Amino acid sequence: QSALTQPASVSGSPGQSITISCTGTSSDVGSYDLVSWYQQHPGKAPKLMIYEGGKRPSGVSNRFSGSKSGNTASLTISGLQAEDEADYYCCSYAGSNTLVFGGGTKLTVL
Amino acid sequence: EVQLVQSGAEMKKPGEPLKIFCKGSGYSFSSYWIGWVRQMPGKGLEWMGIIYPGDSDTRYSPSFQGQVTISADKSIRTAYLQWNSLKASDTAMYYCARQVGSSSVNYFDSWGQGTLVTVSS
Repeated sequence: QSALTQPASVSGSPGQSITISCTGTSSDVGSYDLVSWYQQHPGKAPKLMIYEGGKRPSGVSNRFSGSKSGNTASLTISGLQAEDEADYYCCSYAGSNTLVFGGGTKLTVL
Repeated sequence: EVQLVQSGAEMKKPGEPLKIFCKGSGYSFSSYWIGWVRQMPGKGLEWMGIIYPGDSDTRYSPSFQGQVTISADKSIRTAYLQWNSLKASDTAMYYCARQVGSSSVNYFDSWGQGTLVTVSS
């Protein structure tokens, strides 16, 4: 069970769109449409942003969207806002109720 | 409202045992898996394992199997994470979270506030 691969950092200007990739294997991301994404601000607990590939919890802005192609899942944030600056983690189901996280991506809003 | 409240920060010496807890409220505690997630200083999230309080069915990440023990007492709505002998490398923030899903339990919808464990001589 190896960690999923995410870029260490991404950046964008307010109003722009950014995409964070999350690459796994045929044993996790590629086998299930069960990728979730979490936002974590410094010193805070993670917050669920996307689940089961592309579903948004109540209260999460529709600027956040999720998708998948093959072994790679993606989180897209449109209309970037200063408050979106945070760390983002992907997480995939890996069978038998086990999960695996990505290494995390630091989003900087320029 | 679903709430998970964790025990307070701990400062321990190498070799000491430790048990931290996560108390759930606002939902049927026995019917939902509770997971534990490690975050080492300045690092990412790591899935450690989960437990189903209803029957204590437990799953571990291979990285944590044998290193920690996850348990639960459904009568007091509490899940636990314990170490028999701490190492300096166990220094981290530990989160509990409710693991849910429509077909398989595949995401965390509610998180505790975290318990900071510091292991130093």
